[in-house]
Amino acid sequence: AQSVTQLDSQVPVFEEAPVELRCNYSSSVSVYLFWYVQYPNQGLQLLLKYLSGSTLVKGINGFEAEFNKSQTSFHLRKPSVHISDTAEYFCAVSDPMDSNYQLIWGAGTKLIIKP
Amino acid sequence: DSGVTQTPKHLITATGQRVTLRCSPRSGDLSVYWYQQSLDQGLQFLIQYYNGEERAKGNILERFSAQQFPDLHSELNLSSLELGDSALYFCASSVAGLVSDTQYFGPGTRLTVL
Repeated sequence: AQSVTQLDSQVPVFEEAPVELRCNYSSSVSVYLFWYVQYPNQGLQLLLKYLSGSTLVKGINGFEAEFNKSQTSFHLRKPSVHISDTAEYFCAVSDPMDSNYQLIWGAGTKLIIKP
Repeated sequence: DSGVTQTPKHLITATGQRVTLRCSPRSGDLSVYWYQQSLDQGLQFLIQYYNGEERAKGNILERFSAQQFPDLHSELNLSSLELGDSALYFCASSVAGLVSDTQYFGPGTRLTVL
């Protein structure tokens, strides 16, 4: 069964610095990959997703992620963070052949922006 | 605004009680998901419905039940409440309930069990 590991529970970074949030999944079979963001006191919203095609996926708010099949990773990056990026970020994976229709969610990474 | 509505926003109740959380999906979405988010357990998938039928089940306790009605709104019923049920409960919806779908989340219902 698939599993998702977000290696860092918290990532502190200075404003305007680059950031990478790491996500690894367990199986190298075909996967769909997602990053969702949860701003304080809000529900989650989709940042970006990979279904097929180009391995570099661009999302909202200047974020992008790269699908690396050999390393079973889908790390999220932003070249310059802003205070408004303070949020919790969730990586999720699904198996296109899974009849259970489930997304498998990571534990989340809190991005803390230092002024 | 995701287009998903949840009521109530906050709910405070006592142990042993029963509550009902309500969710209206985005217009046109046929599938509804329920999640529980707590500090100790993180985000947990509970259950998914598609067009009125249960499609997937996650870590949902037997004390919890849900249904999706013909108008596609959904209710999550929590009974015999325990202190540990205190959490944020999110509803999400998607167009077709597929694993490739984007899920649109509501603002959540914060349940406090005293």
